[in-house]
Amino acid sequence: DSGVTQTPKHLITATGQRVTLRCSPRSGDLSVYWYQQSLDQGLQFLIQYYNGEERAKGNILERFSAQQFPDLHSELNLSSLELGDSALYFCASSVDGRSGYEQYFGPGTRLTVT
Amino acid sequence: AQSVTQPDIHITVSEGASLELRCNYSYGATPYLFWYVQSPGQGLQLLLKYFSGDTLVQGIKGFEAEFKRSQSSFNLRKPSVHWSDAAEYFCAVGAQGGTYKYIFGTGTRLKVLA
Repeated sequence: DSGVTQTPKHLITATGQRVTLRCSPRSGDLSVYWYQQSLDQGLQFLIQYYNGEERAKGNILERFSAQQFPDLHSELNLSSLELGDSALYFCASSVDGRSGYEQYFGPGTRLTVT
Repeated sequence: AQSVTQPDIHITVSEGASLELRCNYSYGATPYLFWYVQSPGQGLQLLLKYFSGDTLVQGIKGFEAEFKRSQSSFNLRKPSVHWSDAAEYFCAVGAQGGTYKYIFGTGTRLKVLA
């Protein structure tokens, strides 16, 4: 158990809908990362937050947005969902947002868009 | 630009055989280097990391990795593979200097034959 929690574990929704994925980092970690993992794209970095502020942005679509709240939990919002958004979404946390620190991954949320 | 390559998408070894998974990186200076493992249905777990100093790094589960600056490589090794090592392995590179850039390779899926 990494100490990172993600809810829900599974999510099934229809195209065009909007969903919110939630992540609670390990106690003491200030940085949260979001990743998308699919069979054809592999593990793709989406976005990183550090202590409530956006720090780095990867291949995140405009239909996707995220935020980190004062209690350090984070939410990833996916809107106007398409079939291609079906994937595993991972949250990771680290004590410091800089790249020298290892990331601890949550168990993931499996999103299925039908 | 910073990048990481895992040349082998799939590797199959027999239980008890030795294992080497390749990772090559591109970076202007010495990067931070990590190996993560992802078991089926799980998030990623850190196996080991290299920051500086001794180029041979020991990790969990009997894994080790060697940093070779001249070859820009950070290959993961295990002298005797167990069936429970079947998983996907990711190499990751972090840029030094307090930046936030962190890149994962595409992964190598390991199959272990009984």
